[in-house]
Amino acid sequence: QSVLTQPPSVSGAPGQRVTISCTGSSSNIGAGYDVHWYQQLPGTAPKLLIYGNSNRPSGVPDRFSGSKSGTSASLAITGLQAEDEADYYCQSYDSSLSVFGGGTKLTVL
Amino acid sequence: QVTLKESGPVLVKPTETLTLTCTVSGFSLSNARMGVSWIRQPPGKALEWLAHIFSNDEKSYSTSLKSRLTISKDTSKSQVVLTMTNMDPVDTATYYCARKRASGWYFDPWGQGTLVTVSS
Repeated sequence: QSVLTQPPSVSGAPGQRVTISCTGSSSNIGAGYDVHWYQQLPGTAPKLLIYGNSNRPSGVPDRFSGSKSGTSASLAITGLQAEDEADYYCQSYDSSLSVFGGGTKLTVL
Repeated sequence: QVTLKESGPVLVKPTETLTLTCTVSGFSLSNARMGVSWIRQPPGKALEWLAHIFSNDEKSYSTSLKSRLTISKDTSKSQVVLTMTNMDPVDTATYYCARKRASGWYFDPWGQGTLVTVSS
């Protein structure tokens, strides 16, 4: 049972927009801690996708965006591409510990 | 270029102690506000944060695994070591080390990971 709750799976056709939610509580996201997102392609290590709720590291396409409100955060992917098929994880901070979401598998139809 | 690489046994027996080493390059373990975390991922399951060590040697541990974990570092060797006692088959996972960035509690980059199987 992860501290941060994500939908197990989402899907979309190429070119479409999808969103992945990350729901926390008053002790983590709701306490003002930042949310970060990682992309894990099959068989590889996670890669930082969004940091500080909405910031993209250099090299991450602007098709990826993040937002946060209250006790939740969201990752949006526009112009979906086949190469976006991966697992996505949110991460935040809670009681002096780092916590991850349960992960969301994105399928590009 | 910042890199991290995990090393350690691929197979351990139940009840044994696991020792993993993370060798870093491109940054110093003495850099303020950074540090290195260990994170694991059982096959087909989610990421689980395990432990973190800061540049000042301050440490933090997962609440559920605290009694079994020890994290340490050797700055001169650019290595961070994680030990986990009393290994069980449920501890079978890919173990990653990752650098915490100075500007916040997020990890970038990650090592490639090392798969550890617990079996007799």
